[in-house]
Amino acid sequence: AQTVTQSQPEMSVQEAETVTLSCTYDTSESDYYLFWYKQPPSRQMILVIRQEAYKQQNATENRFSVNFQKAAKSFSLKISDSQLGDAAMYFCAFLNFGNEKLTFGTGTRLTIIP
Amino acid sequence: DAGITQSPRHKVTETGTPVTLRCHQTENHRYMYWYRQDPGHGLRLIHYSYGVKDTDKGEVSDGYSVSRSKTEDFLLTLESATSSQTSVYFCAISGQGNQPQHFGDGTRLSIL
Repeated sequence: AQTVTQSQPEMSVQEAETVTLSCTYDTSESDYYLFWYKQPPSRQMILVIRQEAYKQQNATENRFSVNFQKAAKSFSLKISDSQLGDAAMYFCAFLNFGNEKLTFGTGTRLTIIP
Repeated sequence: DAGITQSPRHKVTETGTPVTLRCHQTENHRYMYWYRQDPGHGLRLIHYSYGVKDTDKGEVSDGYSVSRSKTEDFLLTLESATSSQTSVYFCAISGQGNQPQHFGDGTRLSIL
């Protein structure tokens, strides 16, 4: 079974600064997908970014980018120019190709300091 | 936003009563999922469906059953609710199993 570990229960960053959230996972598979989801206080689960394991290029979405290290089984999320609206719980998730079941980490609560 | 509606949004009930949560989608997606979210655990999969009348168990399926008689509706039933099932429940959908899942707004269920 796959496991996803987010070792930082809480993080904080000054507004306009950059922050990196960590995620590691354990799998014996070679084809899979990784995701970061954001959950603001409104409780919605919002997809932030997606990475396919077969792609060497790191995914980016505006101010959000990932550092995908397949050999190290690491998938960190970098948020540049942090904004107050980025305050949320962030969940890393793993999806095995052909398995249809998402496995989530326990989340990192990000606080933005004005 | 993906067309997903969960009902009810909030519910308080007593131990031993049956409870049914509904997830309705307007996207005609094949896959539908039920998760529960608890502090310190993230989201955990309860059951999922890969088509009408096709369902399978997830990580924490004990005490829960599901049904999907139409593409658009996926029901989660707690036959006899227990306090350990107090949680926030999320429904999610995806067009294919390896596509990102899109989530409903969640149902907060309290069992006293």
